[in-house]
Amino acid sequence: GEDVEQSLFLSVREGDSSVINCTYTDSSSTYLYWYKQEPGAGLQLLTYIFSNMDMKQDQRLTVLLNKKDKHLSLRIADTQTGDSAIYFCADLKSGGSQGNLIFGKGTKLSVKP
Amino acid sequence: DAMVIQNPRYQVTQFGKPVTLSCSQTLNHNVMYWYQQKSSQAPKLLFHYYDKDFNNEADTPDNFQSRRPNTSFCFLDIRSPGLGDAAMYLCATSLGGIETQYFGPGTRLLVL
Repeated sequence: GEDVEQSLFLSVREGDSSVINCTYTDSSSTYLYWYKQEPGAGLQLLTYIFSNMDMKQDQRLTVLLNKKDKHLSLRIADTQTGDSAIYFCADLKSGGSQGNLIFGKGTKLSVKP
Repeated sequence: DAMVIQNPRYQVTQFGKPVTLSCSQTLNHNVMYWYQQKSSQAPKLLFHYYDKDFNNEADTPDNFQSRRPNTSFCFLDIRSPGLGDAAMYLCATSLGGIETQYFGPGTRLLVL
């Protein structure tokens, strides 16, 4: 079945870069997403990448996709304390006209001052 | 601002007492989703509506039902909540089935 895996924790110092990694198993992925969840809140869409791209940059965020290895990463440059949250990788599989969003378990990013 | 709204943000119910969670959207999206997220776990899709077509996930318990009376609103009904149903319930919308999903802030359900 489909699976999305992420490491559970990452700790960095303020000002450093953070890299959150994700692997997925399904080869029929169309889009891959990164969502951010702050404590007690819903999911905030951060960025996404289409499966035929290998990189996307959006301000401090860089997404890298290695489709051959089914590996996705999110790099946050100049990490700030406000970036502390749980980051979910999600894989949108297409099945006919309907998509199915499969989430990883989330990586908790802690940013130390 | 166009958005996905969930009410209430926190809901307390008693074991076995029916409860309804509400979601509304101003995005005019065709698809509305309900996810269940238990503590420290990934969100899990319960069901979704594509317009008026209801799509249930195979492993969603019968205890969970949904209604979509119009484009803007979608409800999650839990007929007889058990202690194991305590979770964050997330509503999301997308323009089409294979489109980006936008989430509401969630409703945290506590079952006593």
